[in-house]
Amino acid sequence: GAVVSQHPSWVICKSGTSVKIECRSLDFQATTMFWYRQFPKQSLMLMATSNEGSKATYEQGVEKDKFLINHASLTLSTLTVTSAHPEDSSFYICSASWGDTQYFGPGTRLTVL
Amino acid sequence: GIQVEQSPPDLILQEGANSTLRCNFSDSVNNLQWFHQNPWGQLINLFYIPSGTKQNGRLSATTVATERYSLLYISSSQTTDSGVYFCAVESNAGGTSYGKLTFGQGTILTVHP
Repeated sequence: GAVVSQHPSWVICKSGTSVKIECRSLDFQATTMFWYRQFPKQSLMLMATSNEGSKATYEQGVEKDKFLINHASLTLSTLTVTSAHPEDSSFYICSASWGDTQYFGPGTRLTVL
Repeated sequence: GIQVEQSPPDLILQEGANSTLRCNFSDSVNNLQWFHQNPWGQLINLFYIPSGTKQNGRLSATTVATERYSLLYISSSQTTDSGVYFCAVESNAGGTSYGKLTFGQGTILTVHP
């Protein structure tokens, strides 16, 4: 149990386009999901907390108009990177809490050309 | 916010050796998890261990919450143990944190055959 999926696994896009990443909890319901960003050879940095039915809470320094988060149901949260630029290239990982433990998706590697 | 420090940053072992990874944190916590990030980026849950000792096969972990550290032991290491090991904590200082995890910088483990 406690499986989290992400789609797509990787995406390459042109500068200026928008990219949507989906995060799903497959076998449990998650009222709260989290979005992280990881640069090469670095640790994970929390970007935002996604709450079902309400607005996301963004960490300091994260542009909420740049990284749009929607938590439409108890099993789905989406992250949209709007008007992507090369500096947005990164590994994006979501997680969901089940009980006291957070479970992580496999990540989405975004490359902006 | 809470600070999380992991040591050593890098560790190289021969197959069959034992190792100890350390995680120090700067404040009281109500969640501490150890993860293994495989070469494809997937974070694999190892332990949920805000206090006490747990064992799972060749891995075991101990958290001494009063002294603000946790240890991850790997015995009889195998090449498949290679990857990055992260410690992540949720602080319980200053009110609710809603499950937000703060990650250490990780320990890069390389096990040679």
